[in-house]
Amino acid sequence: AQRVTQPEKLLSVFKGAPVELKCNYSYSGSPELFWYVQYSRQRLQLLLRHISRESIKGFTADLNKGETSFHLKKPFAQEEDSAMYYCALTRGSTLGRLYFGRGTQLTVWP
Amino acid sequence: DGGITQSPKYLFRKEGQNVTLSCEQNLNHDAMYWYRQDPGQGLRLIYYSQIVNDFQKGDIAEGYSVSREKKESFPLTVTSAQKNPTAFYLCASSRTVWNTEAFFGQGTRLTVV
Repeated sequence: AQRVTQPEKLLSVFKGAPVELKCNYSYSGSPELFWYVQYSRQRLQLLLRHISRESIKGFTADLNKGETSFHLKKPFAQEEDSAMYYCALTRGSTLGRLYFGRGTQLTVWP
Repeated sequence: DGGITQSPKYLFRKEGQNVTLSCEQNLNHDAMYWYRQDPGQGLRLIYYSQIVNDFQKGDIAEGYSVSREKKESFPLTVTSAQKNPTAFYLCASSRTVWNTEAFFGQGTRLTVV
């Protein structure tokens, strides 16, 4: 069975500090991994996906198949990054439904 | 404003009553989903629909029912059989069931008293 684990429920950093939100997954096949973000009073939205290998709002995430991880990183956090972040997985070419982690609430202090 | 619209934003019902949550999309997406969001538990899939007149159970379908009579609409009924219905419900859609970028609605907070 597939599973997504976000070990940190809450994460706080100061503005300008690096931030890393952890995500580990368990799935024996070839997954697609995503990060979704929910800012205060806004709807949940896609932040980035591993197949795009892009940087969005300064965030990057690398899929490490050996460690089965997909950690989200940003070198210099900003106050507007404060939000709830969800890591999600889908089973590649099969059904497109998403399996979500429990989420990490990131707070960036000024 | 295009996208997914869920209504109402807040809903209160008495215990034992069925209640239907609305979800409409104008994105011409084939696939639609219902998730339940509880604090500390992430999003759990209730039902999904790949195409009109088709739907499948997700991980926590017990006590819920859906219909997909129109492409743009995927209403969720929370029945009296759902033991713990008070929650935040999110509707989502994607272009196809194999296109994994999901677009979410604003959510409906259901409180059963």
